[in-house]
Amino acid sequence: QVQLVQSGAEVKKPGASVKVSCKASGYTFTSYDINWVRQATGQGLEWMGWMNPNSGNTGYAQKFQGRVTMTRNTSISTAYMELSSLRSEDTAVYYCARDIVATMGSSWFDPWGQGTLVTVSS
Amino acid sequence: DIQMTQSPSSLSASVGDRVTITCRASQSISSYLNWYQQKPGKAPKLLIYAASSLQSGVPSRFSGSGSGTDFTLTISSLQPEDFATYYCQQSYSTPRVFGPGTKVDIK
Repeated sequence: QVQLVQSGAEVKKPGASVKVSCKASGYTFTSYDINWVRQATGQGLEWMGWMNPNSGNTGYAQKFQGRVTMTRNTSISTAYMELSSLRSEDTAVYYCARDIVATMGSSWFDPWGQGTLVTVSS
Repeated sequence: DIQMTQSPSSLSASVGDRVTITCRASQSISSYLNWYQQKPGKAPKLLIYAASSLQSGVPSRFSGSGSGTDFTLTISSLQPEDFATYYCQQSYSTPRVFGPGTKVDIK
């Protein structure tokens, strides 16, 4: 079955960087974009950006420009999201999700990874 | 950027109730609107895509409608497993903004 499995929880100090992985299985990794979404405790869903695993092209939300980098390793069907200059407000669960694009241009996220908790604390 | 709003922000309902959640976009997004369900401690799950298409495996009591700026998610007969938070999301343009969510809990 199609699934995305993410790396485990991380604890980081302010100013550090974190790199979260998202391993895809059950489909051709290079055929679908991967998006990243985060969710602070008790808050809503915040879209961070997308990556095309085939070309490596990326697009980031303005809020994260300059701090986020999305990459991939196609040989192991894994996407990565690295966030730098961490601050306490970055404490959240980070999700990867596969982006399905229909012929008519509609698109949606399915499935999602299980989430990775990143805690930023001194 | 397109802004998404949802109403209500929360609601209390009983098993068997008909529940309607509204999502509004700040500009026309045609039918590029998705709905997700999220339960505590779990990842969001796709329910409805392209405004009204039911994702495979999702019970038929869930339905979506609307186009342009106004959209609706309806649960025809609320079941115990439906108590969760529901998010809409526009896929018309980036950033792929989500609505703030509607929490459905037990009356």
